[in-house]
Amino acid sequence: DADVTQTPRNRITKTGKRIMLECSQTKGHDRMYWYRQDPGLGLRLIYYSFDVKDINKGEISDGYSVSRQAQAKFSLSLESAIPNQTALYFCATSDFRRGRAADTQYFGPGTRLTVL
Amino acid sequence: GESVGLHLPTLSVQEGDNSIINCAYSNSASDYFIWYKQESGKGPQFIIDIRSNMDKRQGQRVTVLLNKTVKHLSLQIAATQPGDSAVYFCAESTGNMLTFGGGTRLMVKP
Repeated sequence: DADVTQTPRNRITKTGKRIMLECSQTKGHDRMYWYRQDPGLGLRLIYYSFDVKDINKGEISDGYSVSRQAQAKFSLSLESAIPNQTALYFCATSDFRRGRAADTQYFGPGTRLTVL
Repeated sequence: GESVGLHLPTLSVQEGDNSIINCAYSNSASDYFIWYKQESGKGPQFIIDIRSNMDKRQGQRVTVLLNKTVKHLSLQIAATQPGDSAVYFCAESTGNMLTFGGGTRLMVKP
């Protein structure tokens, strides 16, 4: 979805390096998410943010940190990358409104990260 | 060692046939369900959704069925085409967050 962009699309790095993955959206959504996908597995939530001042840990936040610089930008950092953080990383956004029983998320194209 | 789930369940269908992809969800309090399609090298794309007060919803060539009694969701694709080849994920929501299933790979044979 071109409304959600991720940079870089591919990154190879070494163990111990600090890495930042960036996500931008033009959908005007308040909510943003970072997921990790490993081969053959579903998506696992790392962090999520319901607005600029609201950041929450997901299922697998250890070893990661995030920053919500603006409504449209949500970055994910690996403080000290390790090989088992090699995965596909997806950013997503949603526009949940009070009274609506729906939280459809729209995904970016993903960043393939390899940690050697 | 090998990661659990490395080998996705795979459904292989002939082009033109109908496909049925199944999903068992875990939370009886989930009130909203979504099917996503993920093509190779791309992010998941929304296909169709259904609320818990419905048992069937139809889209273009796709139908989602919800059986709350047994916590089962299915995606039916009519007249499957090569472009339908992808991994399909179901997701359930309690209103705030989505929980994703492990996915099923659909392969369409010409």
